[in-house]
Amino acid sequence: DSGVTQTPKHLITATGQRVTLRCSPRSGDLSVYWYQQSLDQGLQFLIQYYNGEERAKGNILERFSAQQFPDLHSELNLSSLELGDSALYFCASSVNPNTGETQYFGPGTRLLVL
Amino acid sequence: AQSVTQPDIHITVSEGASLELRCNYSYGATPYLFWYVQSPGQGLQLLLKYFSGDTLVQGIKGFEAEFKRSQSSFNLRKPSVHWSDAAEYFCAVVFIYLSNDYKLSFGAGTTVTVRA
Repeated sequence: DSGVTQTPKHLITATGQRVTLRCSPRSGDLSVYWYQQSLDQGLQFLIQYYNGEERAKGNILERFSAQQFPDLHSELNLSSLELGDSALYFCASSVNPNTGETQYFGPGTRLLVL
Repeated sequence: AQSVTQPDIHITVSEGASLELRCNYSYGATPYLFWYVQSPGQGLQLLLKYFSGDTLVQGIKGFEAEFKRSQSSFNLRKPSVHWSDAAEYFCAVVFIYLSNDYKLSFGAGTTVTVRA
């Protein structure tokens, strides 16, 4: 158990819908990362937050957005869902993003868009 | 461009045999290097990491990895595999100095099958 929690574990929805994925980092970790794992793209970095502020963006679609709240949990919002958004979405956390600290991964949320 | 390559998509190994998984990177400096394992239906678990110092790194579950600067490689090894080592293994790299976000760039992964 990494200490990172993600809810829900599974999500099935239809095209065009909007969903919210939630992540709680390890106690004491200030930085949260979101990754997408799909069969065709592999593991891809989406976005990073540090202490409530957006730190970096990767291959994140404009239909996707995220935020990190004062209690440090983070939410990833996916809207206007398409079939190709079906993937496993991971959240990871680390103490300090300035030193390449180890990122600890949650169990992921498996999203299926029908 | 910076990249991480895992040349082997799938490896089958007998229980008790040795295992070596390859990882190569393309970068002008020494990155931070990680190996993660993903068991079926599970998240990613860190096996080991290399930032600097001793180029032979020991990790959990009996794994070790060796950083070779001259070959831009960070290969993962285990002397004797157990059936529970069947999983997908990812090499990941932080290309430091490139940006300040320290995001992980992952290889495509190597699936390990262990036969009895």
